Amino acid sequence: GAVVSQHPSWVICKSGTSVKIECRSLDFQATTMFWYRQFPKQSLMLMATSNEGSKATYEQGVEKDKFLINHASLTLSTLTVTSAHPEDSSFYICSALRGLAGSYEQYFGPGTRLTVT
Amino acid sequence: AQSVTQLGSHVSVSEGALVLLRCNYSSSVPPYLFWYVQYPNQGLQLLLKYTSAATLVKGINGFEAEFKKSETSFHLTKPSAHMSDAAEYFCAVSDKNNDMRFGAGTRLTVKP
Repeated sequence: GAVVSQHPSWVICKSGTSVKIECRSLDFQATTMFWYRQFPKQSLMLMATSNEGSKATYEQGVEKDKFLINHASLTLSTLTVTSAHPEDSSFYICSALRGLAGSYEQYFGPGTRLTVT
Repeated sequence: AQSVTQLGSHVSVSEGALVLLRCNYSSSVPPYLFWYVQYPNQGLQLLLKYTSAATLVKGINGFEAEFKKSETSFHLTKPSAHMSDAAEYFCAVSDKNNDMRFGAGTRLTVKP
């Protein structure tokens, strides 16, 4: 089956520093990847759509300068949280879009828990 | 815009009892509908999906869901709950552009 990994699985950083989270599709190529964030006991909220070789598309209310997304290859997208603050603490989940026989399906990574102190 | 509403943020059943998790959708186009399960501190696992084929969809772990257009519903059921079914369940809707929107989630508790 399709596998998506995230690294790191959890990270603690100090306020004001930047953190990079990687999302990799391990056994398929993904032109499109998605980034979600999930607050405790809440649902997933789409942050942005990451397209290989082009700029990401951000959802309304998501600061593109704060959440930098780079999709430099067909198997890797990165999310960098710049100048992190405690309110950025959350569970970040990525998904990769896999096309097969004319249909598409999102495969989700295991998530990265970010704690900003 | 598409959206889903999950009725009941928390459902509690006894082991062996029927599981029913409710989901209603809103979509201006034929939707793709999904149910995912999430265990603590983990990502999402796809249980099943509806993509305009059969209205009764069977998924993994004994779960199934029925698409009812007249009721705009896609409720998830399992005839007999198991302790390992305790988790958070999310209903989601997507269009052909793969713009996926999630419901608020339902926490399922299974009592012994």
